[in-house]
Amino acid sequence: AQSVSQHNHHVILSEAASLELGCNYSYGGTVNLFWYVQYPGQHLQLLLKYFSGDPLVKGIKGFEAEFIKSKFSFNLRKPSVQWSDTAEYFCAVNAQGGADGLTFGKGTHLIIQP
Amino acid sequence: DAGITQSPRHKVTETGTPVTLRCHQTENHRYMYWYRQDPGHGLRLIHYSYGVKDTDKGEVSDGYSVSRSKTEDFLLTLESATSSQTSVYFCAIRKTSGSHTYEQYFGPGTRLTVT
Repeated sequence: AQSVSQHNHHVILSEAASLELGCNYSYGGTVNLFWYVQYPGQHLQLLLKYFSGDPLVKGIKGFEAEFIKSKFSFNLRKPSVQWSDTAEYFCAVNAQGGADGLTFGKGTHLIIQP
Repeated sequence: DAGITQSPRHKVTETGTPVTLRCHQTENHRYMYWYRQDPGHGLRLIHYSYGVKDTDKGEVSDGYSVSRSKTEDFLLTLESATSSQTSVYFCAIRKTSGSHTYEQYFGPGTRLTVT
């Protein structure tokens, strides 16, 4: 079975600071990796995904993530955060080609202070 | 927007009563999922469906049943609601984004409170 660990449960940053949110997964096979964002009171939106190929993937709103296979990691980054990035961020994984659902981390609550 | 609606959006019910949540999609996707979201737990899979009348259990399926009689509708039923089932419930569909690659898109959620 897969598992996902997000290291930071709460992160507080000032605007224009750089962001890195950690995500590690546990699974013995080939995986698909995702980051979702949930703005207050809203549903989950897909930020970015990794299936194969270039381990550095770019998503919406200036976010990017790097897949490091040797470390089982898929960290989310953004060079300069904005107040509007305040949200909950979830890392998720599933087996490549698998039909079952995603396994999510517990989430990171990010607060950006103006 | 993946054409997913959920109903009701909010519901308060009493312990022991049956509750059915509905997920409706307009894009004819084969795979549909039900998750629950709880603080400190992220999202956890309850049940999923891979076609009409084809369903399977997820990580937290105890106390829940599902049905899919039409492609567009996936129903989640709590036969006898308990306070531990107070949660936000999200439906999702799976879209193909390439060869053997898939993405899940989520509905707006149903906030269920069991008193």
